[in-house]
Amino acid sequence: GENVEQHPSTLSVQEGDSAVIKCTYSDSASNYFPWYKQELGKGPQLIIDIRSNVGEKKDQRIAVTLNKTAKHFSLHITETQPEDSAVYFCAARRSGAGSYQLTFGKGTKLSVIP
Amino acid sequence: EAGVAQSPRYKIIEKRQSVAFWCNPISGHATLYWYQQILGQGPKLLIQFQNNGVVDDSQLPKDRFSAERLKGVDSTLKIQPAKLEDSAVYLCASSLRPSGMNSSYNEQFFGPGTRLTVL
Repeated sequence: GENVEQHPSTLSVQEGDSAVIKCTYSDSASNYFPWYKQELGKGPQLIIDIRSNVGEKKDQRIAVTLNKTAKHFSLHITETQPEDSAVYFCAARRSGAGSYQLTFGKGTKLSVIP
Repeated sequence: EAGVAQSPRYKIIEKRQSVAFWCNPISGHATLYWYQQILGQGPKLLIQFQNNGVVDDSQLPKDRFSAERLKGVDSTLKIQPAKLEDSAVYLCASSLRPSGMNSSYNEQFFGPGTRLTVL
């Protein structure tokens, strides 16, 4: 089955700096890679996703890059703000007929220091 | 639109007791998921329903866990009997389309979860 490794487990940055979280996956057939943000006491919320037919995707201050050859993908947050503080999870999955589970990484706790 | 509703939000029980969690997905979402999230880890899928049928329960500990979605809308997850290692947050999620489809309509929306503590 799929295995997703996520680093670092904790990350502290000064407000305004950039934050980068990296994930690797094991199943070369995986082609969908979402990122979730989980705030305390809430369920995960999708913030951005990328499919294997593109290498990069941006949405305002958030970007995700994908290297299929190396089987890794990264989340980049620029101009961080205190409200970006949360736990971030990467995930990976195949697509197609039938059920293909999302496999999550263990999460990165991001702290943005004002 | 209303999000995924879950109850209770918190539950404390002793080992070997039984417990049940309830989930009401977003209206019109055919696919419903139950996840287990142990402290410090990412969510792990327990079971996936498509309408009222089970699509994937490969990671559900069937000797103690059961789930149903009888009318294809809300769902109940039960643990009987509970063990200490069942302490976790149980998340329910729903999507318009099944997880495996290559579609923008399979985004999963998560509820706030039920935090279970087994003493």
